[in-house]
Amino acid sequence: GAGVSQSPSNKVTEKGKDVELRCDPISGHTALYWYRQRLGQGLEFLIYFQGNSAPDKSGLPSDRFSAERTGESVSTLTIQRTQQEDSAVYLCASSLASQETQYFGPGTRLLVL
Amino acid sequence: AQSVTQPDIHITVSEGASLELRCNYSYGATPYLFWYVQSPGQGLQLLLKYFSGDTLVQGIKGFEAEFKRSQSSFNLRKPSVHWSDAAEYFCAVGGFSGGYNKLIFGAGTRLAVHP
Repeated sequence: GAGVSQSPSNKVTEKGKDVELRCDPISGHTALYWYRQRLGQGLEFLIYFQGNSAPDKSGLPSDRFSAERTGESVSTLTIQRTQQEDSAVYLCASSLASQETQYFGPGTRLLVL
Repeated sequence: AQSVTQPDIHITVSEGASLELRCNYSYGATPYLFWYVQSPGQGLQLLLKYFSGDTLVQGIKGFEAEFKRSQSSFNLRKPSVHWSDAAEYFCAVGGFSGGYNKLIFGAGTRLAVHP
């Protein structure tokens, strides 16, 4: 079946602009995660959604970052007033349930000029 | 604090040679351990995972890893490397903090394979 998909695959923006990144999880997966991967580094956890429960936003680096998810479907990660340090690959993952293996999408490569 | 260390940033091996990628973790409870591989332009693919039981875990593509609690290690091995194994490898530790599997990743090891 289809895996996790993300769009756009690449995004170039100017400092100060807002960006929206989209994640389509695997159908039927109730849990969804966002991670950030800076150049040469491992992944940093950003936010976690599980069904209709309140999301865990403990990894969001600032209030410029927010994410939404409608039910158990698509999620969007929004970065407001982008800064150069926001340049990274943003990865989305989903899992069948909260304690199951996470499957990752290909990521969105964000470059802030 | 919970952390994962992958001491080797880059490793180069010849095709057909054996491979071992190191991973050390710091975790306050029984860890759940993972190895993921990331090829250029691809998302992360799960190679193998350890939750409990046999400490030697077999994964896809001929990889295996051994959990050694006394050494806080979960090293990845492959007896004979293929050119297609060139990629970046990430070790991750997780646990059911807050009721879900929050993964903490190492910085990765980039593997190059010489013909």
